[in-house]
Amino acid sequence: KNQVEQSPQSLIILEGKNCTLQCNYTVSPFSNLRWYKQDTGRGPVSLTIMTFSENTKSNGRYTATLDADTKQSSLHITASQLSDSASYICVVRDQTGANNLFFGTGTRLTVIP
Amino acid sequence: NAGVTQTPKFRVLKTGQSMTLLCAQDMNHEYMYWYRQDPGMGLRLIHYSVGEGTTAKGEVPDGYNVSRLKKQNFLLGLESAAPSQTSVYFCASSSLGDSKTYEQYFGPGTRLTVT
Repeated sequence: KNQVEQSPQSLIILEGKNCTLQCNYTVSPFSNLRWYKQDTGRGPVSLTIMTFSENTKSNGRYTATLDADTKQSSLHITASQLSDSASYICVVRDQTGANNLFFGTGTRLTVIP
Repeated sequence: NAGVTQTPKFRVLKTGQSMTLLCAQDMNHEYMYWYRQDPGMGLRLIHYSVGEGTTAKGEVPDGYNVSRLKKQNFLLGLESAAPSQTSVYFCASSSLGDSKTYEQYFGPGTRLTVT
């Protein structure tokens, strides 16, 4: 069964600290993995996308990694800011079509001053 | 360029009432989607459309109907609302041309409560 699991469910960190969010998936055949940021009361917004051949990709203070062999991805946030408080959702697409997306339940990050 | 917009933002219905949620996109995207998001669960696909005049069922279609009469609009209908349909509903769209990644652009959501 195709699944996407994220950990931790929630995380509280101090402003300026780093953190890493995890995503494990069983989706096959794999096409790509995308991390979304969802602010409270808003729709998800794409942060980065990883395809099979990519190991690391950065978007400002966000760095995503992908290990396609172990089917794991991580999202590392450096020097966190209060505006990073949001839910981070891992979404995996398989190769069967445009509409086959598998969503994780998200990690709720709270950055406190 | 407004992207994806949804109306209304909030709505409270009584059991058995009907309503229609409107999604509009101005990016000329071919694909449009309706999702629901519930606490502790990932986004779940209700219905989707790959073009004007075509719709298809997603993972949780029961109790919902959709229509795509115009390319830019995707309507989600609840014929007889039930408390189990209390949720936040998100519309999304993506471009056929972005065939490698099919990035979906999401609207701001509609919070629906059925009492």
